[in-house]
Amino acid sequence: GAVVSQHPSRVICKSGTSVKIECRSLDFQATTMFWYRQFPKQSLMLMATSNEGSKATYEQGVEKDKFLINHASLTLSTLTVTSAHPEDSSFYICSAREGGKRETQYFGPGTRLLVL
Amino acid sequence: EDKVVQSPLSLVVHEGDTVTLNCSYEVTNFRSLLWYKQEKKAPTFLFMLTSSGIEKKSGRLSSILDKKELFSILNITATQTGDSAVYLCAVKTSYDKVIFGPGTSLSVIP
Repeated sequence: GAVVSQHPSRVICKSGTSVKIECRSLDFQATTMFWYRQFPKQSLMLMATSNEGSKATYEQGVEKDKFLINHASLTLSTLTVTSAHPEDSSFYICSAREGGKRETQYFGPGTRLLVL
Repeated sequence: EDKVVQSPLSLVVHEGDTVTLNCSYEVTNFRSLLWYKQEKKAPTFLFMLTSSGIEKKSGRLSSILDKKELFSILNITATQTGDSAVYLCAVKTSYDKVIFGPGTSLSVIP
């Protein structure tokens, strides 16, 4: 089946630094990628949707200058948490959708971010 | 390699039917199994299962985990058109990794 990877799987950083998380589709071309944040009690919040070659669409309440998303190729999207603060500590999950297959999303394994 | 498999991948039923969705897994250091319902945006959390044999219920939905046989089922009784969605099964490991299954697309027709 289709595989989506995320890197790094875990990152610890100091407050004020920026952190980049990569999401890659390994065996298919992902025209659309989604970024989620997982909260306690397991709920997932959609942060943004990115389409290859165009600007990401952010959900209400998500600061686009804080969470920079780049989807420069059909296999890679990056999420950069700029000037991270402890409240940004969370589990970030990406998913990817193959072009022309509207129904199926493949999820990555997640990245645990801890901001000290 | 860690993996989560769901079956069937798609299902069409009539309102009022009962459905059973299956999720089997092979992972290293299992911690918990999660069920989500995805309609439009983010998947909505349904259940978290950590112990075998204990049924979790929420209205018409129920789920149970078998850690010996490495699977879980999600039951929906008296289905309604609003139950139409993709149901995702995910397994969390103690390495802080979440592995999602491919999902079961359920369509409930009047």
